[in-house]
Amino acid sequence: NAGVTQTPKFRVLKTGQSMTLLCAQDMNHEYMYWYRQDPGMGLRLIHYSVGEGTTAKGEVPDGYNVSRLKKQNFLLGLESAAPSQTSVYFCASSYVPGGAYNEQFFGPGTRLTVL
Amino acid sequence: GESVGLHLPTLSVQEGDNSIINCAYSNSASDYFIWYKQESGKGPQFIIDIRSNMDKRQGQRVTVLLNKTVKHLSLQIAATQPGDSAVYFCAETYHNFNKFYFGSGTKLNVKP
Repeated sequence: NAGVTQTPKFRVLKTGQSMTLLCAQDMNHEYMYWYRQDPGMGLRLIHYSVGEGTTAKGEVPDGYNVSRLKKQNFLLGLESAAPSQTSVYFCASSYVPGGAYNEQFFGPGTRLTVL
Repeated sequence: GESVGLHLPTLSVQEGDNSIINCAYSNSASDYFIWYKQESGKGPQFIIDIRSNMDKRQGQRVTVLLNKTVKHLSLQIAATQPGDSAVYFCAETYHNFNKFYFGSGTKLNVKP
């Protein structure tokens, strides 16, 4: 199993450009999440999904959109990138049997720089 | 949560010593906690978890202690090794679709 993979690993954008980050998991997990991590800080939740076709806002959703058209994929979009969105983005997935809690499995991250 | 800001608190220990990393969590309703390890350039990796009906849980070389009275969590690493050098995060959640809230992390530096 590859676990959670993210594409691309690095990207540089100019202000106003758009891009999509792709997250894929092969563990058949229902729940998927997008986080951002800024220097010296913990992870902050951008958006999450509890199943195919569903998405919800996290702590810091402004400027981002997401889609979960297939169970194994969770896409994060930036419509008009801003320098404040320079960060490392992590995707995670989890299996939550019967609504119980469980660990999240993380991808390797995407380092995004917006100039 | 832990100290918030641009500068991570750092714990430096000698190889072979025991390490204790602390975390003050924010929500008294939180009932499940995880410690994650993040090596440079990588995603967080699960170390150990604990539910609120417990006050101690042990794994291989690691122990997590939970004090709900003062909303405090600690991670103890026995016989610290150079491979333990990383940033450690605590994360909490409570009845909300397995969404976790992360502390800002502590950097563990193991000196050979």
